[in-house]
Amino acid sequence: NAGVTQTPKFRVLKTGQSMTLLCAQDMNHEYMYWYRQDPGMGLRLIHYSVGEGTTAKGEVPDGYNVSRLKKQNFLLGLESAAPSQTSVYFCASSPFGGGRSEAFFGQGTRLTVV
Amino acid sequence: AQTVTQSQPEMSVQEAETVTLSCTYDTSESDYYLFWYKQPPSRQMILVIRQEAYKQQNATENRFSVNFQKAAKSFSLKISDSQLGDAAMYFCACRRGSNYKLTFGKGTLLTVNP
Repeated sequence: NAGVTQTPKFRVLKTGQSMTLLCAQDMNHEYMYWYRQDPGMGLRLIHYSVGEGTTAKGEVPDGYNVSRLKKQNFLLGLESAAPSQTSVYFCASSPFGGGRSEAFFGQGTRLTVV
Repeated sequence: AQTVTQSQPEMSVQEAETVTLSCTYDTSESDYYLFWYKQPPSRQMILVIRQEAYKQQNATENRFSVNFQKAAKSFSLKISDSQLGDAAMYFCACRRGSNYKLTFGKGTLLTVNP
């Protein structure tokens, strides 16, 4: 059982370049999330989705776009990368959004923007 | 809005000893859930333990237990018989009952000395 898989694991971008991070989950979860982790900041929510075809903004959405065309996939896009977007990005999924629901995380993508 | 504070950026413990990681939170909700996540060097986020705010009994999972003080809004994690594999970053997180959003603290880096 793969759980949550993120692609790629590492990436270096030049300022202004674009890229898409792919998240795939095989647990049939409704909710999916993108977080970024910065030193001394914990994890902050970028965007989330409550089901196929839906997306919504989280805490730090500026500079990112997302899409959830298929239930199992959640894509995070950077249209014009900036050094401030250097971070570790985590995708997560959960069967429902609230309560004691456990969020399952991918292994993260380390993105460096130079 | 809810906030989660981890006041210990780093902690260390001797193998086989006990260590307590502190977490305080602030929420105006009466229905909420608290979590401790472990992030080893592999970056994988792993749920360690969770606590429902409506339960008075402290949650335990093998060597991991919490001290949940609802009135003080405190949620500390106790690790007994520490093992080398416990070395990791530990994040405290809080979620409102019906809400998707996990709010994380900034983390505590735990070192286990042999």
